[in-house]
Amino acid sequence: DIVMTQSPDSLAVSLGERATINCKSSQSVLYSSNNKNYLAWYQQKPGQPPKLLIYWASTRESGVPDRFSGSGSGTDFTLTISSLQAADVAVYYCQQYYTTPLTFGGGTKVEIK
Amino acid sequence: EVQLLESGGGLDQPGGSLRLSCAASGFTYSNYAMSWVRQAPGKGLEWVSGISGLGDTTSYADSVKGRFTISRDNSKNTLYLQMNSLRAEDTAIYYCAKTTKQWLVSVLLDYWGQGTLVTVSS
Repeated sequence: DIVMTQSPDSLAVSLGERATINCKSSQSVLYSSNNKNYLAWYQQKPGQPPKLLIYWASTRESGVPDRFSGSGSGTDFTLTISSLQAADVAVYYCQQYYTTPLTFGGGTKVEIK
Repeated sequence: EVQLLESGGGLDQPGGSLRLSCAASGFTYSNYAMSWVRQAPGKGLEWVSGISGLGDTTSYADSVKGRFTISRDNSKNTLYLQMNSLRAEDTAIYYCAKTTKQWLVSVLLDYWGQGTLVTVSS
């Protein structure tokens, strides 16, 4: 199974500041035939199901604000919130969909400082 | 609008059985593989099982293989998870999720239901 490791476990950021979350996979999730990274990011607010934010490592889902961006390739990925808003308080998960079993990172809790 | 509504959760004893359902609407159901993902209280996300759009391919996490069975009824737009030999560690919110393609290969989960809580305790 591909193990997904996120860091940090939590972070507190001031409103308007940048938040950066890292995700590392135990093996590459880059599919060479199409040059796509099978890596997604989800946002989960308390009491709600996860919401898809980013797929193919860097493509924002429709309706997701452009302050959210994803980057990285192969085994190392980053989710960046460029200017943290109160509505962004949540737990963020990375997930690989390169192969089954689909696997998730442990989550990163983002709070306001 | 895509809607996924889970039901069937509840309290059961270790060794018991439960059947979860997920009613889908707002998309052509048989065109998409579906999955179940669970979340233990205060914990992260764990993929449980997936099934192809036509129901001919299934896959399971090792933690549930041999105990859980995923199925679907495309005439009723409904996904199921039969859970047998339940254990305390199966206690979780179970989410139904739609994927982005018909085959159960490299599937992205794009819509999730609100979840149904399963508690396994004596």
